[in-house]
Amino acid sequence: TQLLEQSPQFLSIQEGENLTVYCNSSSVFSSLQWYRQEPGEGPVLLVTVVTGGEVKKLKRLTFQFGDARKDSSLHITAAQPGDTGLYLCAGPWYNNNDMRFGAGTRLTVKP
Amino acid sequence: GAGVSQSPSNKVTEKGKDVELRCDPISGHTALYWYRQRLGQGLEFLIYFQGNSAPDKSGLPSDRFSAERTGESVSTLTIQRTQQEDSAVYLCASSSRGRGYGYTFGSGTRLTVV
Repeated sequence: TQLLEQSPQFLSIQEGENLTVYCNSSSVFSSLQWYRQEPGEGPVLLVTVVTGGEVKKLKRLTFQFGDARKDSSLHITAAQPGDTGLYLCAGPWYNNNDMRFGAGTRLTVKP
Repeated sequence: GAGVSQSPSNKVTEKGKDVELRCDPISGHTALYWYRQRLGQGLEFLIYFQGNSAPDKSGLPSDRFSAERTGESVSTLTIQRTQQEDSAVYLCASSSRGRGYGYTFGSGTRLTVV
């Protein structure tokens, strides 16, 4: 069982559509991070959310941290082919002193 | 360097052979992590180095896996007597502030055991 559950696992949409992907846990996290990973590359950090209820925007991407700090969402407006990739959420897990990652949402945006 | 550098980028090895993977972190980053990513899966924590502290090895899957880091420089991940289930992308990340903060990842080493 994943500590961080991401949904959907796969998402294929047309250019210009909007989408939301989710990251959920039964545990409380002090912060959550979102990464995007393209084929053959390592994940690249997009954002860190640290306050319950926080909303951060990066151009067409909107990130929200749940009030209880157990979940987060990523909303993309007017998706573009360049948004294609694996979106991973991650949070610090103190017991093991490491960052735990979800399995990711693999997004494909078709032109 | 400007980013995290990993080598080799690809490695094909025969079952039973030993392999050594290298990670060169961003200069000045005290924290270094190794993760394993199997095809279609998320990242699996392997080991964490923080400065000169004892490393957290709790994620290493078996005693065939070991890692070293000298000070705040290069790290090597060694897999002895490789098995087919070791096939994966091995990712290294470094951070200036430790857990809870953003990591900078390398491009990974794709290991294929045949």
